[in-house]
Formats: sequence, C-alpha cells, structure tokens
Amino acid sequence: IAGITQAPTSQILAAGRRMTLRCTQDMRHNAMYWYRQDLGLGLRLIHYSNTAGTTGKGEVPDGYSVSRANTDDFPLTLASAVPSQTSVYFCASSASPGQGGYTFGSGTRLTVV
Amino acid sequence: QQQVKQSPQSLIVQKGGIPIINCAYENTAFDYFPWYQQFPGKGPALLIAIRPDVSEKKEGRFTISFNKSAKQFSLHIMDSQPGDSATYFCAPPWVSNSNSGYALNFGKGTSLLVTP
Repeated sequence: IAGITQAPTSQILAAGRRMTLRCTQDMRHNAMYWYRQDLGLGLRLIHYSNTAGTTGKGEVPDGYSVSRANTDDFPLTLASAVPSQTSVYFCASSASPGQGGYTFGSGTRLTVV
Repeated sequence: QQQVKQSPQSLIVQKGGIPIINCAYENTAFDYFPWYQQFPGKGPALLIAIRPDVSEKKEGRFTISFNKSAKQFSLHIMDSQPGDSATYFCAPPWVSNSNSGYALNFGKGTSLLVTP
C-alpha cells in the first residue's frame, strides 16, 4: 500500500540524547514535511523539502535538523533532546510543493525525560 | 509567523446537525485551501479543498464556503453523524520569508463531537 512509513512508532528518550526519526515514502512525491503536534497548538511546521537535495526551515526549526539525500527519505534529527521536544511528530509528503493534498504518516510519539 | 485563526476550538452537535468551522488566513498569494480530518491516533487526512475561483464546493456531506475578500473559508458538515467526530484543521498556504519554501499552515484545530 502506497504511503508514508514513520519509525519508531513511539520512543522514550533521555534528555541530551541524539535521536533520528525516520520517514520513508513510496509515492515518488517531490515535497516532504515534518510537523509536530501538541495539544492546543495544532500542527506546526518544523522543516520542509521542496525536492530532493533541498531543505528549508519552518515555523519551529530550532533543535531539529533534516536531510533529503533522495526522493524517498526525509529523516528528522534531534541533536540533543530536551523535554520541550516531547510531542507527536508527523511526516507528510505531496506531489509538488504548491499543489494537491498531503499524505501523512501515522506519527511518532516522542517523550523526552 | 503567518497567522491562521480557526474557530471554534471545540463543538458539540447532535446527530443530523450542521456544524460549521471557520478559518481566517493572511496569505493571499496562493490558490489552494484545504480542510483536514484527524481521528485519534492517526495522521491528518485531506477531507476537501477549494480554489479561490469558486465560492463554494460540495463533496458528499461536506461543503467549503470561500470568501476571498474577507480571507476566510468555512467547513460545513451536513447531516452530521457520530462517525464525523474528529478534529478538523484548516490549512491555508504558508510561504517562507527567506526563500521559495512553501507548505501548508495548519490551524489549531476544532474538536467536533457528534452525539447520537
């Protein structure tokens, strides 16, 4: 089934540790995104990639980095996790940056303690 | 930060009622205005979207009304059902101030409960 795979599904992480959230899509979509979802705040854009080889900062990029080495993968790295990064993280993709709907993964629930 | 104002924050209606969710946005440069639906434990999914060359679009029981001059668009759910209970997000476009980046800017969401 075509879509987005995120891993892990959930994780408890000690503060200060490094963690990479994985995101893979099999739809050959050009654009990919990372959002975090917090109660009462909706979904906030962390980073985006219009096409393979390019990335950009969203609304809340501090403490996060991304790479886009190929079309299918868009990992999100927390270099040194802090408790405020406790959230549900969603990866999404779209055929192109300006058109069409997003396909979302099922999310990664991250708890930083 | 480009503002998206979604209201109400939560809504309870009886089965058969017509909940209305509103969204006000700032960016006028783009032509795609969607609503997403999210069930607990799942990622959001596209529900319905409109382009500003029309004022209304219907898909089944879901209708978008669009007011370009007021920079607002609304979601109406006709004959609402308990299965419509979910969180709804409007997601007008966002554009980076520093480069050509483009993404959807999600509102804070409206939690809808449809009672039997």
